[in-house]
Amino acid sequence: AQTVTQSQPEMSVQEAETVTLSCTYDTSESNYYLFWYKQPPSRQMILVIRQEAYKQQNATENRFSVNFQKAAKSFSLKISDSQLGDTAMYFCASGGSQGNLIFGKGTKLSVKP
Amino acid sequence: SQTIHQWPATLVQPVGSPLSLECTVEGTSNPNLYWYRQAAGRGLQLLFYSVGIGQISSEVPQNLSASRPQDRQFILSSKKLLLSDSGFYLCAWSVREKLFFGSGTQLSVL
Repeated sequence: AQTVTQSQPEMSVQEAETVTLSCTYDTSESNYYLFWYKQPPSRQMILVIRQEAYKQQNATENRFSVNFQKAAKSFSLKISDSQLGDTAMYFCASGGSQGNLIFGKGTKLSVKP
Repeated sequence: SQTIHQWPATLVQPVGSPLSLECTVEGTSNPNLYWYRQAAGRGLQLLFYSVGIGQISSEVPQNLSASRPQDRQFILSSKKLLLSDSGFYLCAWSVREKLFFGSGTQLSVL
């Protein structure tokens, strides 16, 4: 069975600083994808970043980047220059090519002014 | 562009009453469709997914069922709600491996 573990229930960071959210996963899929989703107080789920497991290069999207360690099954999210609007729940997820993702329990991130 | 509509936004139902939540997708054809549930303070749990009309896969045996009567319509139902059915229900569709979510329905069973 696939599992996704986020070991940090809550984190906080000062505005403009950098924060890293941790995620580990386990999957039996040979071709899989990893994701970080953001859920702000509006509860809308927003895709932040996506990593294809067969690519060694870490994905980046503006201030968001990942550290993908395939052998360790680790997929952390780094947010640089944190902004107040980054305050949200962040969910790590893994899945195959069909979109049926398995999610972690989330990390609540608070960005403080 | 593709959009996903989910309604209602909030719903309060008594225990034992029926449930019907509807989700429709616009701007695409033959999408994969999903129902997820998020319990308070928890992550998302996949309930059902569908790769085509009339094709439903259940991930978690429970008091709920799903149907896909049309290509872009996905319905979550229950004949008799339980207290444990309370939660935030999210419909989603996928383009290959990416999931895109609706705005969700907060269901409170009292």
